[in-house]
Amino acid sequence: EAGVAQSPRYKIIEKRQSVAFWCNPISGHATLYWYQQILGQGPKLLIQFQNNGVVDDSQLPKDRFSAERLKGVDSTLKIQPAKLEDSAVYLCASSSTGRGQPQHFGDGTRLSIL
Amino acid sequence: DAKTTQPNSMESNEEEPVHLPCNHSTISGTDYIHWYRQLPSQGPEYVIHGLTSNVNNRMASLAIAEDRKSSTLILHRATLRDAAVYYCILSRPDSSYKLIFGSGTRLLVRP
Repeated sequence: EAGVAQSPRYKIIEKRQSVAFWCNPISGHATLYWYQQILGQGPKLLIQFQNNGVVDDSQLPKDRFSAERLKGVDSTLKIQPAKLEDSAVYLCASSSTGRGQPQHFGDGTRLSIL
Repeated sequence: DAKTTQPNSMESNEEEPVHLPCNHSTISGTDYIHWYRQLPSQGPEYVIHGLTSNVNNRMASLAIAEDRKSSTLILHRATLRDAAVYYCILSRPDSSYKLIFGSGTRLLVRP
């Protein structure tokens, strides 16, 4: 089974620029998650989708971050404008629907803000 | 959100068993116990999860205390590839089973 695909693997931008990340979940997984992982910390959930609807976006800084999941498959996460503190690894994960189903993670996009 | 407590770091010798502890004294009856690990420069990897009974899979075993206030992840024979940060996480139905990662336990494996 193919895993969660993310691109790009690395991105370097200057502050105030915009950036977008792409995620393709495991086929058939209805639930998709975006996490932010700052160096030395555990991942923090930004947004959770069930099909193409948002289940939880309580930790998403909505003044600069946005995410969409068109057609309930692929997803994009955008930051506009980027700040220095957004430097982190952005991880995408997916899971099938059901109680306590395990999440499967991609290897993330490492974002550096100059 | 239900909290877990893990040691910051542990060390083990290669080919020996490893027991990684986790305390979760505020666990409720419907909370699942999950273990994930994260190798350097990779996303977290699912290891095992359970609700009440002990669980075994090809990667590890999960031993859950009778009162469910603690659990132990058991790696039966540590290899160098098992060196990673191990996260013990509770997920609950009233929060859509979302995972809240702490700082985990960094496992060092000595050759």
